Amino acid sequence: GAGVSQTPSNKVTEKGKYVELRCDPISGHTALYWYRQSLGQGPEFLIYFQGTGAADDSGLPNDRFFAVRPEGSVSTLKIQRTERGDSAVYLCASSPGTWYEQFFGPGTRLTVL
Amino acid sequence: QKEVEQNSGPLSVPEGAIASLNCTYSDRVSQSFFWYRQYSGKSPELIMSIYSNGDKEDGRFTAQLNKASQYVSLLIRDSQPSDSATYLCAVNAIQTGANNLFFGTGTRLTVIP
Repeated sequence: GAGVSQTPSNKVTEKGKYVELRCDPISGHTALYWYRQSLGQGPEFLIYFQGTGAADDSGLPNDRFFAVRPEGSVSTLKIQRTERGDSAVYLCASSPGTWYEQFFGPGTRLTVL
Repeated sequence: QKEVEQNSGPLSVPEGAIASLNCTYSDRVSQSFFWYRQYSGKSPELIMSIYSNGDKEDGRFTAQLNKASQYVSLLIRDSQPSDSATYLCAVNAIQTGANNLFFGTGTRLTVIP
């Protein structure tokens, strides 16, 4: 079946702009996670959804970052007033439930100029 | 502070040899452990999960877990050039109730033909 999909695959923006990154999880997966990966590092947790609600947003670095999942399926990660330090690969993962294995999408490479 | 430590490598082994990848973690209450493979420019791909002490085998891969020593390893038998990738160790954050994963920085493996 179809895996996790993410759009766009690449996003180049200018400092101070607003961006939205989209994640479409595996069908039927109720848990959705956002991670961020910088070069040479492992993925770093940002936020977790179980259904429509953000069950844990402790990894969001500051209030410029926000994510939604209004219908319990597709999620959007929103970044306001982007900074050069936000440049990274943003990864989405989904799982059938909280304690199950997580499967990653292809990621969105964000570059802030 | 939860930490997952891996030798960053690079680790080089000849084709057909056994590759041994190691990981230690600091949080004693972690319950789930995962190995992901990441090819350059791609997203992490789940290859093994392990939850109980001992060994778990899947094809050429064997994961080993020792919770008392807070140590998890991955053995790759009959290594192939296609196994050349970065291997990420991940540990769940059970205390948050969210199962978000903490990752090591990865070990880069090169299998020499």
